[in-house]
Amino acid sequence: GAGVSQTPSNKVTEKGKYVELRCDPISGHTALYWYRQSLGQGPEFLIYFQGTGAADDSGLPNDRFFAVRPEGSVSTLKIQRTERGDSAVYLCASSLTGDRLNFGPGTRLTVL
Amino acid sequence: DQQVKQNSPSLSVQEGRISILNCDYTNSMFDYFLWYKKYPAEGPTFLISISSIKDKNEDGRFTVFLNKSAKHLSLHIVPSQPGDSAVYFCAASEGYNTDKLIFGTGTRLQVFP
Repeated sequence: GAGVSQTPSNKVTEKGKYVELRCDPISGHTALYWYRQSLGQGPEFLIYFQGTGAADDSGLPNDRFFAVRPEGSVSTLKIQRTERGDSAVYLCASSLTGDRLNFGPGTRLTVL
Repeated sequence: DQQVKQNSPSLSVQEGRISILNCDYTNSMFDYFLWYKKYPAEGPTFLISISSIKDKNEDGRFTVFLNKSAKHLSLHIVPSQPGDSAVYFCAASEGYNTDKLIFGTGTRLQVFP
């Protein structure tokens, strides 16, 4: 079966703009995660969904960041008023609860 | 404050030799540890894990060792192969689940012929 897919693979935007990043998890996986990897760093936890609800959003850096998963499958990470410091690779992962994470290839976001 | 540390940003090993990647952690509440491998332009892929009740876990060429008293773990790859060339991330979590992993900064392994 298909793995986790993320679109777009690359996104270039200007400071202050709004962006949406999409994640399609592996079919049947109830848990979905967003991580962010900045240059030279390891992935950093942002938010975790169990079904449709955000079970843990403690990693979201501020209120410009928001994520949804309305039907318990596809998720969208939304970033308002982007800043240059938001530039990073945004990784999505899914899993059966309690199992290992399966990561997608990521979306590389560049804020000019 | 970096709770999971990989102090060697890179490692170069000859094919057939052993590769040893190290990881240190500071949070004594961590119960579960994982290694992920990442190729360029791909997401990290799970490699091997170990829970805090064990001190060793082996899977083929890969062995993870855990020293709880030293808050240290290591990944051994033997024999190393050119296809092992990648960035390796150590990760940890509190409790035996992967809901919120804390990753290290990674070690780039290069295996040369």
